[in-house]
Amino acid sequence: DGGITQSPKYLFRKEGQNVTLSCEQNLNHDAMYWYRQDPGQGLRLIYYSQIVNDFQKGDIAEGYSVSREKKESFPLTVTSAQKNPTAFYLCASSGTGLNEKLFFGSGTQLSVL
Amino acid sequence: SQQGEEDPQALSIQEGENATMNCSYKTSINNLQWYRQNSGRGLVHLILIRSNEREKHSGRLRVTLDTSKKSSSLLITASRAADTASYFCATDGSGYSTLTFGKGTMLLVSP
Repeated sequence: DGGITQSPKYLFRKEGQNVTLSCEQNLNHDAMYWYRQDPGQGLRLIYYSQIVNDFQKGDIAEGYSVSREKKESFPLTVTSAQKNPTAFYLCASSGTGLNEKLFFGSGTQLSVL
Repeated sequence: SQQGEEDPQALSIQEGENATMNCSYKTSINNLQWYRQNSGRGLVHLILIRSNEREKHSGRLRVTLDTSKKSSSLLITASRAADTASYFCATDGSGYSTLTFGKGTMLLVSP
C-alpha cells in the first residue's frame, strides 16, 4: 500500500525535553511538509523540503528543526525552545510540479506533561 | 498572507440536504484545492480547480471558482451522515509556492 505514515499517534513531552516525530512516505514524492494544527484552526506550515538534503522554513519554524537525509523520511524535532508545543502535527508529501495535491499522514497529537 | 478563509465556520444540516461552503482568498493563484478532515485524522484531498476553470464536478461535489472575486464555493449535494467532517480550502500562489490553508468549515450532517 502506498502512503504516508506518521508515528507515534500520541506523544507526551516533559519540560525541557526535545521530542522527534516520524514521517515516512513510499509514494516516491520529492516534496514533504510539516504542518501544525491547533483546535479550531487551520494548518500552519512549519517546514518543507522539495528535495533530499534541502529544506526551508515555513511560517512558524521557531522552536522546530527538521532533516531530510532520505527521500522517504522527514522527521520533525520539537525542541525545548518551542514554549507552546501542544498541537496536532500533520506531515504531507507531494510531487513538485504545478497543481500538485498533498497526501497527508494520520497525524501525531503532542501534549505537554 | 494568501490564506483562504472559509465561511461559515460551522454548518448543521439534515441528511439529504445540500451543504454549501465558501472560501475567500487574497492573492493570485494557480489553483485552489478542497480537503476534508475527519476528527483526529489527516486531511484527504477532494478536488482541485485551476485558475482558468470556473466549475468542476466530482461525484456529489461541485466546486466553483470566481477569480475576479477571489472566492470559491464547495457544494455537497444529497448529504449523508458520513459527510460529517471539517472542510478546508487551500490556495497556492502564482509561481511555485506551498499551499496555505484556511481555518475550515465544520459540517455536521444529522440522520
